[in-house]
Amino acid sequence: GAGVSQTPSNKVTEKGKYVELRCDPISGHTALYWYRQSLGQGPEFLIYFQGTGAADDSGLPNDRFFAVRPEGSVSTLKIQRTERGDSAVYLCASSPEWSQGESGYTFGSGTRLTVV
Amino acid sequence: GQQVMQIPQYQHVQEGEDFTTYCNSSTTLSNIQWYKQRPGGHPVFLIQLVKSGEVKKQKRLTFQFGEAKKNSSLHITATQTTDVGTYFCAGGNAGGTSYGKLTFGQGTILTVHP
Repeated sequence: GAGVSQTPSNKVTEKGKYVELRCDPISGHTALYWYRQSLGQGPEFLIYFQGTGAADDSGLPNDRFFAVRPEGSVSTLKIQRTERGDSAVYLCASSPEWSQGESGYTFGSGTRLTVV
Repeated sequence: GQQVMQIPQYQHVQEGEDFTTYCNSSTTLSNIQWYKQRPGGHPVFLIQLVKSGEVKKQKRLTFQFGEAKKNSSLHITATQTTDVGTYFCAGGNAGGTSYGKLTFGQGTILTVHP
């Protein structure tokens, strides 16, 4: 597609429930990133994929968070047993294979997750 | 871990005045990127700097990367109301294995009064 697509745009869930957030990156972009952004803060790194594999998952806060990218395109961020502190905007971004070139991330519009 | 700090947190200017935001990293960076986020929007890539002492310009915007590759600045000349938003710097980790990962600063919120 023309841009990075994230669905749903908004998700309200009850504490303790399981949620899945989907990201469809720009066609041909091999690198895919998940960040989350709380109000008034900068994006906080969660995980980064190069192709199908997670190149760096050091930002995942705990084992309730998991992400997959089985075919090297669409990615799903999965959160188990959601807590109110998980409420944030979850941003997905993609980029061409990382190099020292001029490209940056292209972000999607995000999924606003609210845990009640 | 790597920390990226930005100052100021907020900046209010009159239209036509200049604006500068500063970014400092606790570690040497491989590269730095700048993003703009409009209210209610998502971050949009502006530019990347990779060389020590590099200066790049985009119309009224001037970006600098420090000689030690630990700091950067964004300067806007003669602000316009369309410049309103939050400006983020994001640093890449020099010597790290995760070349794709960026650490974002907390951003500078720019308000321009007409």
